[in-house]
Amino acid sequence: NAGVTQTPKFRVLKTGQSMTLLCAQDMNHEYMYWYRQDPGMGLRLIHYSVGEGTTAKGEVPDGYNVSRLKKQNFLLGLESAAPSQTSVYFCASSYSYRRFFGPGTRLTVL
Amino acid sequence: GQQVMQIPQYQHVQEGEDFTTYCNSSTTLSNIQWYKQRPGGHPVFLIQLVKSGEVKKQKRLTFQFGEAKKNSSLHITATQTTDVGTYFCANSGGSNYKLTFGKGTLLTVNP
Repeated sequence: NAGVTQTPKFRVLKTGQSMTLLCAQDMNHEYMYWYRQDPGMGLRLIHYSVGEGTTAKGEVPDGYNVSRLKKQNFLLGLESAAPSQTSVYFCASSYSYRRFFGPGTRLTVL
Repeated sequence: GQQVMQIPQYQHVQEGEDFTTYCNSSTTLSNIQWYKQRPGGHPVFLIQLVKSGEVKKQKRLTFQFGEAKKNSSLHITATQTTDVGTYFCANSGGSNYKLTFGKGTLLTVNP
């Protein structure tokens, strides 16, 4: 089992560019999440999904969109990247209360 | 979940010393989870506490949930260099979806 995987691991964008982060899990979990982590801020929930075809907003959803077309995949999109979106992005999945995190994507927006 | 405050923000210890981090809330918590994140790594689940006054141990780690369910602590006995990392508490407020994390305590250990 690979668990939770994320691609890419690193990315540098220019302001205004768009990109999609991919998260995949092979544990058949219903719930999937996208978090961002900034120094001194802990982990903040961006969007989450409680099942295939469903998504919902978390604490800091502005500037991001998500899709869950397949149960095993959860995509995070940035339509027009801004420097404030420079962060480390973690995907996670769960079947109950325990979160399983992916290795993270380090994104820099210049 | 409800907002939780973690103290201290940083802690540096000599190897072999004990370490404690605290997680506090102004409101009653339905549960507390603890995660560890090694430098450059991702958060890894350690434990969940749900009962008032609950105490759980994992080798050198002791987790407590306060009687009033407004605070929790993680205590490490005789720290080792492998304990280095950031320890986060989190609570879900009764919902499995919205897990709210504290800002974490960064532990460094001098060998």
